[in-house]
Amino acid sequence: DTAVSQTPKYLVTQMGNDKSIKCEQNLGHDTMYWYKQDSKKFLKIMFSYNNKELIINETVPNRFSPKSPDKAHLNLHINSLELGDSAVYFCASSQEVGGGGSGANVLTFGAGSRLTVL
Amino acid sequence: AQSVTQPDIHITVSEGASLELRCNYSYGATPYLFWYVQSPGQGLQLLLKYFSGDTLVQGIKGFEAEFKRSQSSFNLRKPSVHWSDAAEYFCAVGSRGYNKLIFGAGTRLAVHP
Repeated sequence: DTAVSQTPKYLVTQMGNDKSIKCEQNLGHDTMYWYKQDSKKFLKIMFSYNNKELIINETVPNRFSPKSPDKAHLNLHINSLELGDSAVYFCASSQEVGGGGSGANVLTFGAGSRLTVL
Repeated sequence: AQSVTQPDIHITVSEGASLELRCNYSYGATPYLFWYVQSPGQGLQLLLKYFSGDTLVQGIKGFEAEFKRSQSSFNLRKPSVHWSDAAEYFCAVGSRGYNKLIFGAGTRLAVHP
């Protein structure tokens, strides 16, 4: 059973198109994330949702819109794709260890979705 | 500013040799520290984590890491490397109650037979 699954694994599209990446976790975690990994392997957080509520929104173009229909799903929609959007996008989920808002979060990552914009 | 530095971009070792990957962090709060491994075309897998207590932590696949507060370091070690350990290794730092992990740029490990 895949804990955090993303679809599609590969996505090739033209500039200007709109595309979505879906993510689902079956771990029962409360928090989900989107990370972007660029061509130099650098990983940076984009968004984080806790129980369907947006809690982290880094400096990301508003062409990127996350949507969380329930706490097990976090989708990423990208409008008007640009060449610079080419990257691997990782979904992750976590559950707080320790509880009470003062614990730590251990992230479980999906396998990634490689987006190539031509 | 919060940051994680992995000084070595590439490291090559021979199979059976020992390994140490360096990680230094700059973080204002009490850090939680992680090492993740990414095999080619795969997602990130947690190797080990440090929250508190014993500063030497054991992880999966025979890896260990030592937290040294005075040096702001969390170096990853393995006494004998296997060819299957070839991958990208990421150090990350977070803090309690804070969902954002900050990652280092990664160290690519190559293993020679």
